[in-house]
Amino acid sequence: DAGVIQSPRHEVTEMGQEVTLRCKPISGHDYLFWYRQTMMRGLELLIYFNNNVPIDDSGMPEDRFSAKMPNASFSTLKIQPSEPRDSAVYFCASSSLGQVGGYTFGSGTRLTVV
Amino acid sequence: AQSVTQLGSHVSVSEGALVLLRCNYSSSVPPYLFWYVQYPNQGLQLLLKYTTGATLVKGINGFEAEFKKSETSFHLTKPSAHMSDAAEYFCAVIKGGGNKLTFGTGTQLKVEL
Repeated sequence: DAGVIQSPRHEVTEMGQEVTLRCKPISGHDYLFWYRQTMMRGLELLIYFNNNVPIDDSGMPEDRFSAKMPNASFSTLKIQPSEPRDSAVYFCASSSLGQVGGYTFGSGTRLTVV
Repeated sequence: AQSVTQLGSHVSVSEGALVLLRCNYSSSVPPYLFWYVQYPNQGLQLLLKYTTGATLVKGINGFEAEFKKSETSFHLTKPSAHMSDAAEYFCAVIKGGGNKLTFGTGTQLKVEL
């Protein structure tokens, strides 16, 4: 298995632009998580899905952020419009209930908003 | 509510010395506890976990952790540090049931010659 695949690895965009981050989870995993990591705030859970259904989006900062999981093999995190304070590394992770807490993380997307 | 506290945001040890990274949890019920490691420019990787059973848990790369209910602790240890152990280490807990992890603030481990 290639693991959790995230794209792009790096994204530089101008303030006000739309940004879409992509994630392909491990086949057979029924949980998908989106995290944001910054020096100031550490690791923050933004949203997670179970069987493609959003379960908890209480970590989504504001309405500018949205996430979808149209099928078991693909998820997106969209920021529209982007702001400089959104600059961070965004991680996607997947897991199965049979491996409680045992997440497999992707390599992350480093987002810079200028 | 369950959460974890990692004492010391930076720890420095000499190569070959004992590694001890501290984690305390707050929980009214027995928690599930985890340690993850993050190498530079990579995602997090599971080191070890405690769910039930034996309180001394062995993980990858020679690390182990002991669940101590009386001390509400889950400290991570390794007898002899190697240069390749330099990374950031996160303690985590399952919060509110299900499969949702809450991470600590992390401890950056530096290994010196």
